[in-house]
Amino acid sequence: DQQVKQNSPSLSVQEGRISILNCDYTNSMFDYFLWYKKYPAEGPTFLISISSIKDKNEDGRFTVFLNKSAKHLSLHIVPSQPGDSAVYFCVGRGGQNFVFGPGTRLSVLP
Amino acid sequence: ETGVTQSPTHLIKTRGQQVTLRCSSQSGHNTVSWYQQALGQGPQFIFQYYREEENGRGNFPPRFSGLQFPNYSSELNVNALELDDSALYLCASSLDRGKTQYFGPGTRLLVL
Repeated sequence: DQQVKQNSPSLSVQEGRISILNCDYTNSMFDYFLWYKKYPAEGPTFLISISSIKDKNEDGRFTVFLNKSAKHLSLHIVPSQPGDSAVYFCVGRGGQNFVFGPGTRLSVLP
Repeated sequence: ETGVTQSPTHLIKTRGQQVTLRCSSQSGHNTVSWYQQALGQGPQFIFQYYREEENGRGNFPPRFSGLQFPNYSSELNVNALELDDSALYLCASSLDRGKTQYFGPGTRLLVL
């Protein structure tokens, strides 16, 4: 039972263009959604979050959109930079249980 | 400010053995969560400790147990190791069970 789905295992984008990473969830009880990125041989690093009562949160180049009726969220990175190349995890929080998606590997090509 | 550290970095055990993994939380953080990340998957929540008490548990059997110490460092113990326990074990700390967690680099466990 996958409560958080990231259906694109990988994504390639040209430097300077927009990266859009998608995430779908099934658990209506999630109160927060978070995005983490992970470089090889390092632990995940927090990127941005959004409350379930909001529909948008922006932090610099990163914007997260939440569509509660569709149970869908997306992370936009504009402009994409080579240093953004990493695995991105979508996370839903229900109580103290953080449910991670399987991740999307983003490659930003110079 | 010291980040989250984990030891050891790598470990090889045989089936049936027991293992203890250690985590030092970020300075000032009183909440520690443990995750198991199998190859090609996202981290899976094992349990969380808050002020030395277990504060939530994922879908893992009782042979996965933990401790949190007064200095908020933590241990993950796994008994009767199985081949499927081979994974990266991640520890994350936060303040007062907050939503923003800071992860350590992980311990990679191989069970033969």
